Amino acid sequence: SQTIHQWPATLVQPVGSPLSLECTVEGTSNPNLYWYRQAAGRGLQLLFYSVGIGQISSEVPQNLSASRPQDRQFILSSKKLLLSDSGFYLCAWQENPYNEQFFGPGTRLTVL
Amino acid sequence: LAKTTQPISMDSYEGQEVNITCSHNNIATNDYITWYQQFPSQGPRFIIQGYKTKVTNEVASLFIPADRKSSTLSLPRVSLSDTAVYYCLVGLRYGGSQGNLIFGKGTKLSVKP
Repeated sequence: SQTIHQWPATLVQPVGSPLSLECTVEGTSNPNLYWYRQAAGRGLQLLFYSVGIGQISSEVPQNLSASRPQDRQFILSSKKLLLSDSGFYLCAWQENPYNEQFFGPGTRLTVL
Repeated sequence: LAKTTQPISMDSYEGQEVNITCSHNNIATNDYITWYQQFPSQGPRFIIQGYKTKVTNEVASLFIPADRKSSTLSLPRVSLSDTAVYYCLVGLRYGGSQGNLIFGKGTKLSVKP
């Protein structure tokens, strides 16, 4: 069966510090991968999606970036965090466009 | 993607049937209606998807009228564990080629004993 992992589960970072969140999927090959952010009391916002290694599409201009160095690994990064980057970050995978998306456990990021 | 409107919150009691309605007046011909459930500090979980009329699975039923401008998620005999936020999404099936899902603020369902 397929599983999706995210780490860390929680993170507290000072403003201006770098960020690296990792997402890995097991039990599938060449999945579509997604990064979402959920600010407090708001809906999910799609940040990035990837249909293959090295292929990243950005949905929202921001100080974040994403990379997919391996088939089942998706990384969200920032060189300098802003207060507004605080939120709940979710990674999701999808076997193909005709299947539902499956979400990971999320990372709670607090920028102070 | 079509915009959706749903109530911000709903209250219910254990054992009751809960119906959450979503309006999507600008739904396109190729659009499907999908509902997700999200518990606090967890990622959303797919509940049900439909195109027209009625769809039922082991968790819920989805009613879609002929004009498809609205839909109703029906949860039979809710329990305390059904307390969650429910999102209605309209778009290509499961999000289309990029899988883009546009989540609104959802409906916060609170089930009381």
